[in-house]
Amino acid sequence: QVQLQESGPGLVKPSETLSLTCTVSGGSISSDYWNWIRQAPGKGLEWIGYIYDRGYPNYFPSLKSRLTVSLDTSKNQFSLKLTSVDAADTAVYYCARGLRGGGVFDSWGQGILVTVSS
Amino acid sequence: DIQMTQSPSSLSAFVGDRVSLSCRASQSIGGFLNWYQQKPGEAPKLLIFDGSRLQSGVPLRFSGSGYGTDFTLTISSLQPEDFATYFCQQSYNSPTTFGQGTKVEFK
Repeated sequence: QVQLQESGPGLVKPSETLSLTCTVSGGSISSDYWNWIRQAPGKGLEWIGYIYDRGYPNYFPSLKSRLTVSLDTSKNQFSLKLTSVDAADTAVYYCARGLRGGGVFDSWGQGILVTVSS
Repeated sequence: DIQMTQSPSSLSAFVGDRVSLSCRASQSIGGFLNWYQQKPGEAPKLLIFDGSRLQSGVPLRFSGSGYGTDFTLTISSLQPEDFATYFCQQSYNSPTTFGQGTKVEFK
């Protein structure tokens, strides 16, 4: 059973960069699709993007200009960087494994709350 | 982007009730529809994928049906641990999108 765990700062200042890492255990990160999904407080789920192998990211269109998702197979980790954040980026951020072409999220991290505030 | 609309936004039910939750897509998505359960403070959990396929370990009281634009999640006999919020999600094309959720509460 693959397990995922998010890590990173819980507080980011407006206009700065939000950086999170997801550590995968119990399976190799060299296959499948590795996703970031977020949930603003009291709201629904929003897919942010995925990385498939090192050269194949796919991002939510409205975030594409601010977003980088990358993979580190030596550490079995993948990462998220979101630049120029504002209050609208405040959310619980989940990492998740995607199967069946990437869109079926069968394993999730516990989530990490990131607040954008000065 | 494909819009996913769930109804109702919330419902109240008794333990043992049969409940059905609806999800509608703004365009045809074939059978590429998944259902998740989320409890407060927890990550979502995959229940059903590809419209009707039960994820390993999920109780048989959960079932999914539908094709095209209209889908249903049915819980045949509601149990205390089933009180939660349920989200549908289309995996037909990118970006994948979720419904706004249906909250199932005690009556």
